[in-house]
Amino acid sequence: EVQLLESGGGLVQPGGSLRLSCAASGFTFSNYGMTWVRQAPGKGLEWVSAMSGGGKSTYYADSVKGRFTISRDNSKNTLYLQMNSLRAEDTAVYYCGKHSTLTKDPFDIWGQGTMVTVSS
Amino acid sequence: QSALTQPPSVSGSPGQSVTISCTGTSSDIDSYNRVSWYQQPPGTAPKLMIYEVSNRPSGVPDRFSGSKSGNTASLTISGLQAEDEADYYCSLYTSSNTWVFGGGTKLTVL
Repeated sequence: EVQLLESGGGLVQPGGSLRLSCAASGFTFSNYGMTWVRQAPGKGLEWVSAMSGGGKSTYYADSVKGRFTISRDNSKNTLYLQMNSLRAEDTAVYYCGKHSTLTKDPFDIWGQGTMVTVSS
Repeated sequence: QSALTQPPSVSGSPGQSVTISCTGTSSDIDSYNRVSWYQQPPGTAPKLMIYEVSNRPSGVPDRFSGSKSGNTASLTISGLQAEDEADYYCSLYTSSNTWVFGGGTKLTVL
């Protein structure tokens, strides 16, 4: 069964850092682009970042560029999101998603999400 | 990054059809067939329902269909069922190699 499992969320103070992980199973991880999407409480979906299957190409939303870094370890079938200089507006459920193939393709599998709360 | 506009809410009775629109600028939706639609029931993760304007992934009922005209993409749900009640989001892959979502539409089944 194809599955994505996020972890690493929690409460962090403004200006702090957090690293999210997304463990993948049930498919050849290195063959697929992966993405992070977030959803603030009561709000809509916001795409955050994507990475190609081999890890050479990365893409970011303007709202997180320079603060967040996406990475992956294909030997561990795991996607990461390093979040620095966190702000209150970064508070959201963070979902990882699998692209159907390339990062230009839609997200056909989603994890259950992990909650990040930025507050003092 | 471009903006996609969706109606905040739509509603329909069981058995009826509803259509949710997603309007972008002529430089995005009109030019690309990379529009997809996601369903998100309350408290759950999104699910891909339509990709590349009108294609359904395996397992998605054929009651769900997608189309595009000019700079507006549409999701139509026919034979409305109670289980269809959810938030629906359109999404577009842009020329900047980024993704953008519409604001979402809450579907209420009366």
